[in-house]
Amino acid sequence: QQQVKQSPQSLIVQKGGISIINCAYENTAFDYFPWYQQFPGKGPALLIAIRPDVSEKKEGRFTISFNKSAKQFSLHIMDSQPGDSATYFCAASIGGSNYKLTFGKGTLLTVNP
Amino acid sequence: EAGVAQSPRYKIIEKRQSVAFWCNPISGHATLYWYQQILGQGPKLLIQFQNNGVVDDSQLPKDRFSAERLKGVDSTLKIQPAKLEDSAVYLCASSRNTGSSREQYFGPGTRLTVT
Repeated sequence: QQQVKQSPQSLIVQKGGISIINCAYENTAFDYFPWYQQFPGKGPALLIAIRPDVSEKKEGRFTISFNKSAKQFSLHIMDSQPGDSATYFCAASIGGSNYKLTFGKGTLLTVNP
Repeated sequence: EAGVAQSPRYKIIEKRQSVAFWCNPISGHATLYWYQQILGQGPKLLIQFQNNGVVDDSQLPKDRFSAERLKGVDSTLKIQPAKLEDSAVYLCASSRNTGSSREQYFGPGTRLTVT
């Protein structure tokens, strides 16, 4: 059973455009929602994370929007750059337990110059 | 701060052979995770250690996979015997896992190919 559903599977954006990746979750006990960025041959690296008590978090060109009632959250990359080309994973975890991350299947983002 | 170290980076073995992976977490991180990442998918947790005790191994195929974390620092993950479907990248991650810090730091992974 996939607890975190991510879409789209792949995304092509022109340089300077906005990249949007969406995730939906089922378990309402999740209370931590990070986004990870992974380049080929590297391990995932934390990009930005949000907790359900806020609806939006922005760090530089990266913004998470969170909709608790819809059980959805999304990553927006403003002014997308070729260097942003990577695979992006959303994830979720439950606090007070073992904090294990449940990952989405990933989105391969390609930013064309 | 040094990152999570893993070795080897690549390994090719034949099915039914055994293989072992090593991980050295970030200093001071009590929690250590092993994930399996199959091509085109997100990482899937295999086992989680808190210091040298197992917290979660519910998704570890215990008939062939084993892991240990001696002295609460380094960890090894072993597969014996390997199957074709074990071909994947094996990621090690570590974390402080305090109330305010839940970030997991990942190593570069070991790419395993089983032929």
